[in-house]
Amino acid sequence: QSALTQPASVSGSPGQSITISCTGTSSDVGGYNYVSWYQQHPGKAPKLMIYEVSNRPSGVSNRFSGSKSGNTASLTISGLQAEDEADYYCSSYTSSSTLLFGGGTKLTVL
Amino acid sequence: QLQLQESGPGLVKPSETLSLTCTVSGGSISSSSYYWGWIRQPPGKGLEWIGSIYYSGSTYYNPSLKSRVTISVDTSKNQFSLKLSSVTAADTAVYYCARLSTNDYGDAIVFDYWGQGTLVTVSS
Repeated sequence: QSALTQPASVSGSPGQSITISCTGTSSDVGGYNYVSWYQQHPGKAPKLMIYEVSNRPSGVSNRFSGSKSGNTASLTISGLQAEDEADYYCSSYTSSSTLLFGGGTKLTVL
Repeated sequence: QLQLQESGPGLVKPSETLSLTCTVSGGSISSSSYYWGWIRQPPGKGLEWIGSIYYSGSTYYNPSLKSRVTISVDTSKNQFSLKLSSVTAADTAVYYCARLSTNDYGDAIVFDYWGQGTLVTVSS
């Protein structure tokens, strides 16, 4: 199984909005509403930010939102803040009952 | 508050077997709502799911690692473990254990709690 496709990097200025895409196939992203997003700061464990495409766990800022269209899921961060600078990974359940990660996207806050 | 803690050798020789244990505290590993899994991250690279296990012992593995991976659970100790055989330098990574929540059908769909991770280096 190949990793889901994410852009290697995105950037934005404080206060702006950015979107990170995550492209898979009909056997994973497109076939199920089980896409999740994780934030990882350097040297730290990943943190769940979005699950089941668009749901936020308790305690996660409403500046983070998720969506999906066809085989591509997206994470949008609005009102960008310095603390949002991190690596972001998507993950999807697959038709083989396995889990697949994206390659990761480095977000730089300018 | 649920906590997961990885433990095991930080250095493993090539061709040997990597063994790690994850100890779960603040919750029961025997809960019917969760799977327990292992994920790894080579230095400077992305995340890779290794496999997951249910308290009953049911397992799912990454096809690319399946021939070398064994995940087991010890409910009496609230622990689950990873064994990866015939390791090479390519297996050098930070290894994370995590809890996976399930959907209404019992499929493990999201990693909602993570351990802090442990670096395992494969070198002679």
